[in-house]
Formats: sequence, structure tokens, C-alpha cells
Amino acid sequence: NAGVTQTPKFQVLKTGQSMTLQCAQDMNHEYMSWYRQDPGMGLRLIHYSVGAGITDQGEVPNGYNVSRSTTEDFPLRLLSAAPSQTSVYFCASRPGGASNQPQHFGDGTRLSIL
Amino acid sequence: KQEVTQIPAALSVPEGENLVLNCSFTDSAIYNLQWFRQDPGKGLTSLLLIQSSQREQTSGRLNASLDKSSGRSTLYIAASQPGDSATYLCAVDQRPSGSRLTFGEGTQLTVNP
Repeated sequence: NAGVTQTPKFQVLKTGQSMTLQCAQDMNHEYMSWYRQDPGMGLRLIHYSVGAGITDQGEVPNGYNVSRSTTEDFPLRLLSAAPSQTSVYFCASRPGGASNQPQHFGDGTRLSIL
Repeated sequence: KQEVTQIPAALSVPEGENLVLNCSFTDSAIYNLQWFRQDPGKGLTSLLLIQSSQREQTSGRLNASLDKSSGRSTLYIAASQPGDSATYLCAVDQRPSGSRLTFGEGTQLTVNP
């Protein structure tokens, strides 16, 4: 199993550009999430999904969109990039059901907005 | 709003030392608490998960305890090694679905040979 795969690993954008961060998992996990990690602020939840067709907002959703058309994929879209969105983005997944299963994280996408 | 605090922010120890990392949280209504390890430029790796009904979990040289009523958890690392150098993060889960983790900022550990 590849686990959680994020692409690209690095990206530089100009203010106002749009892009999609890809996340795919091959473990048939129901639950998937997007976090951003910033110095001094830890990891913060952006959006999450408890299954195909179901998404909800986390702590810092503004400026981001998500969709979940398949169990495997959970892309994160930046609509109009802003310098404040410069961050490291992590995708995570875990099985559904009981709360005794740990989260699996991808290696992250490092995004710079100029 | 749940807040998670980790102390100390950074720790440097000689190889072989036993050490304790601390995590505290403000809302005791949690389903589980997880400890993660993050290496530079990498994602998070789950080390231990303690369910709210449990008091501790052990894996090799690692032992994590949970006192839900007081809002505290500790991660004990025995006989530390240079390979243990990393940032250690704790996170609490307030939904049974496990889809909403609240993280601390982490403890950056350096184990010197």
C-alpha cells in the first residue's frame, strides 16, 4: 500500500492564481481531512469528509473548497491564492467506525504564494 | 474551544536519558488522544493512540498516559537514542468519527550522541 499520497510536493503560485492540491489514499478509509501547518500555530483543520459525497468545514475553511466524489480522492482547491495561504498542507485519512484507529498522514505539499 | 498545549517547546538531552513530554488540553470531553512524530520535511507518523476509557498505552520504548479528568497526557521515552530526534505532537479527538483533531504545537526533541 502507498498509504496517503499528496501531489505536488512543492508549488509556487502568484497571488490570485488557483490550483488544486491532490490527495489519494489506497486503504479504503472513509474519513479524510485537510490540515495546514504554520509556525507558532500548529496544525489546523481546513475541511474534512466522512465519506464519498459528504464534506464539512473545519476551523479555517475560508478560501478553500473540497469535494469527495470517490472514497480514494479528496482534492483541496484554492480559489484565488493569497499570501496568507502560504503554508504546508497535510492530508490525512483513517478508517470509519470506532475511535481507536489512528490517522494516517501524507508527506505534505509546501505551498508558497508570492 | 479546545486548546492543546505542549511543554516544553524544545528539549535537548544526552543519549540514554529517560524523558517525559507533556501535553495538556482544556476540554476533557475527548474520544481519544494521539501522539505523533514528525521528522523535518515529512508528514506525521502516529506513535500511540489512547482511547478516553484507557489510562495508558505502550509501544516499545514509548509509554503514553492519559488523565482525562485533569486534561493531561505524558509521553515517556525510555533510553533515548539519536534516532528519536524529531518533533512530537499530541492531538485530541472530540468526535467519534475521528475527523476533527486539535493539535498542540509540538515539542522539538534533540538527542545528542
